Amino acid sequence: GEDVEQSLFLSVREGDSSVINCTYTDSSSTYLYWYKQEPGAGLQLLTYIFSNMDMKQDQRLTVLLNKKDKHLSLRIADTQTGDSAIYFCAEYNRGGGNKLTFGTGTQLKVEL
Amino acid sequence: GAGVSQTPSNKVTEKGKYVELRCDPISGHTALYWYRQSLGQGPEFLIYFQGTGAADDSGLPNDRFFAVRPEGSVSTLKIQRTERGDSAMYLCASSPSDRGGVLTFGAGSRLTVL
Repeated sequence: GEDVEQSLFLSVREGDSSVINCTYTDSSSTYLYWYKQEPGAGLQLLTYIFSNMDMKQDQRLTVLLNKKDKHLSLRIADTQTGDSAIYFCAEYNRGGGNKLTFGTGTQLKVEL
Repeated sequence: GAGVSQTPSNKVTEKGKYVELRCDPISGHTALYWYRQSLGQGPEFLIYFQGTGAADDSGLPNDRFFAVRPEGSVSTLKIQRTERGDSAMYLCASSPSDRGGVLTFGAGSRLTVL
C-alpha cells in the first residue's frame, strides 16, 4: 500500500536553510512532488523529481531523492518569512490510478 | 478560467442535510480530482475524472458521496445525509491529461456539519 510520512513541525530562523524530510513506501512511484499550502489558499506545486534522478535544483529549492531508502527531502536556502507554510510531499505512480498520495504535511515556521 | 474555482468557499449545514460542492476547472484540463483534507492532515483522494467519466472513484468513503462531471468541465461533489464526520476542506484540482501529478488546486470548500 501507499504511505507517505513527514515530521509535523519545523522551526528555523530567517536566513537559515530549512530541510523538510519525507519517507514513502511505494517503490514503484514514478514521480515525487512537493506542494506548499499557505493559510486560506489551495495547494501550490513547488517542484517535483522523477524517480530516476537523485537531485534537482530550482533556485532556492533543492530536492534530494534516496530511492534505496525511499527518502525525499526539500531544502530551502535562505529561508524567508514568506516561506512559512505547510509543505506536503506526494508520490505519484503512473500505474496506480493516476492519483497523488500526500503526506501529512510539515508546518514550517520562520522566525526573525 | 485563469484558475480552479470552487464554490461555495464555506458551507455550514445540519446533520442529515444534502450538500453540493462545485468545481470549475481550468479551461481545457481534461483531468479533474476531488480530495478531502481534514484538520492537520494531508489531502486524501476521493475521485478522479478523465473527461466526463469517473476513471477512479476508489477514494469515496461510502455511497453517500457521489460526483459528476456531465460535460467534461464543471464537476459537482454531492453528499447525502451529511454527518459530523464529513466536516472537512474539500479540494478540487485539475490537470492536462498527460501531466501526472502536476495539479492546479482550487482554494477549497470548507464544509461544517453541525
